[in-house]
Amino acid sequence: GAGVSQSPSNKVTEKGKDVELRCDPISGHTALYWYRQSLGQGLEFLIYFQGNSAPDKSGLPSDRFSAERTGGSVSTLTIQRTQQEDSAVYLCASSVYNEQFFGPGTRLTVL
Amino acid sequence: RKEVEQDPGPFNVPEGATVAFNCTYSNSASQSFFWYRQDCRKEPKLLMSVYSSGNEDGRFTAQLNRASQYISLLIRDSKLSDSATYLCVVNANGTASKLTFGTGTRLQVTL
Repeated sequence: GAGVSQSPSNKVTEKGKDVELRCDPISGHTALYWYRQSLGQGLEFLIYFQGNSAPDKSGLPSDRFSAERTGGSVSTLTIQRTQQEDSAVYLCASSVYNEQFFGPGTRLTVL
Repeated sequence: RKEVEQDPGPFNVPEGATVAFNCTYSNSASQSFFWYRQDCRKEPKLLMSVYSSGNEDGRFTAQLNRASQYISLLIRDSKLSDSATYLCVVNANGTASKLTFGTGTRLQVTL
């Protein structure tokens, strides 16, 4: 596939559980971003990876959130001890210059 | 002050109308500007870049006013299919890849 892919597409979990969301960026794209979007709201920046540089974690809302990018490609966003307010669509995007290409998102519902 | 501000709308216009959206940004060092479109429950997609000299793509015209730090998007001859949320996007930190998204302006085109 030529686009950004994310898995799972939907995730329902219970409050207090940990979840892992995966992003496969477009091959060759050096930059990778995670955002979240609550219903009817704008994009909230979470974290940004650029090549081998230290990630920009300035958007992570709490220490329950973390992300890794292995080998400059696949990224995993982990949310520990999920809370109901974590329910949102989590979007991943990759870019090589300025245009960001978004994946379809993972819809997370915390019960 | 938010880095990128947009009127959330909604803008309700009849088919065939001309509609304009504005967006302001706070960082005078911003280098790159874009308009993205997001359909309901879909991921954002690049609509057009915004160049200093202004640019046009069919019915869409984008303008940049650096002195006043605002960007505009003009849609002529609106179609039903133009109904979406339009996101103003700015390279806010002067870094090539880190983009900041506005919360979007919702457009609803009606018969």
